[in-house]
Amino acid sequence: EDKVVQSPLSLVVHEGDTVTLNCSYEVTNFRSLLWYKQEKKAPTFLFMLTSSGIEKKSGRLSSILDKKELFSILNITATQTGDSAVYLCAGGNKLVFGAGTILRVKS
Amino acid sequence: GAGVSQSPSNKVTEKGKDVELRCDPISGHTALYWYRQSLGQGLEFLIYFQGNSAPDKSGLPSDRFSAERTGGSVSTLTIQRTQQEDSAVYLCASSTRFQETQYFGPGTRLLVL
Repeated sequence: EDKVVQSPLSLVVHEGDTVTLNCSYEVTNFRSLLWYKQEKKAPTFLFMLTSSGIEKKSGRLSSILDKKELFSILNITATQTGDSAVYLCAGGNKLVFGAGTILRVKS
Repeated sequence: GAGVSQSPSNKVTEKGKDVELRCDPISGHTALYWYRQSLGQGLEFLIYFQGNSAPDKSGLPSDRFSAERTGGSVSTLTIQRTQQEDSAVYLCASSTRFQETQYFGPGTRLLVL
């Protein structure tokens, strides 16, 4: 059974801090690992990672995949209050989602 | 369309009634997925479609749940004889092909009284 585990479950930081969110996975027929940000209802897409060791960047967010060790990290630098959300990673045939990391950025 | 749309955005129903939730995927997307998210919980996979067929229905919680997709586009998720534990946000997503990046709709918040 496919499994995706995220850590930490929740995190509280101050504006300007850098955070690292973790995602480990055990999935069959791995094709890609996806990161999403969920604020209200629907998750919004952040990154799709398919190749090991290649960092994807978008502004203050970046993510990298380690296919050998079966994990990915999502980094957010210079955090802002608008980064407060649940961050989800997902992978596998049926796109199994982890439980998410709740990030709260305090001003 | 520009994005995935779902209707209704909110639905309140009485226990025992049937409800139908609708999803309009992004035009041209062949894969469509349904998820459920209960309060404070992660996303739970329900079913996915490739075209009009659903190769994997194992995520449907019970035989009260069914889904169909017609014309390779719109999908409906039907819940018969709703129970209070069915209360959740039901999210639909679509992708160009199966296992490609999924784009989510805004969801339907279902409350069963």
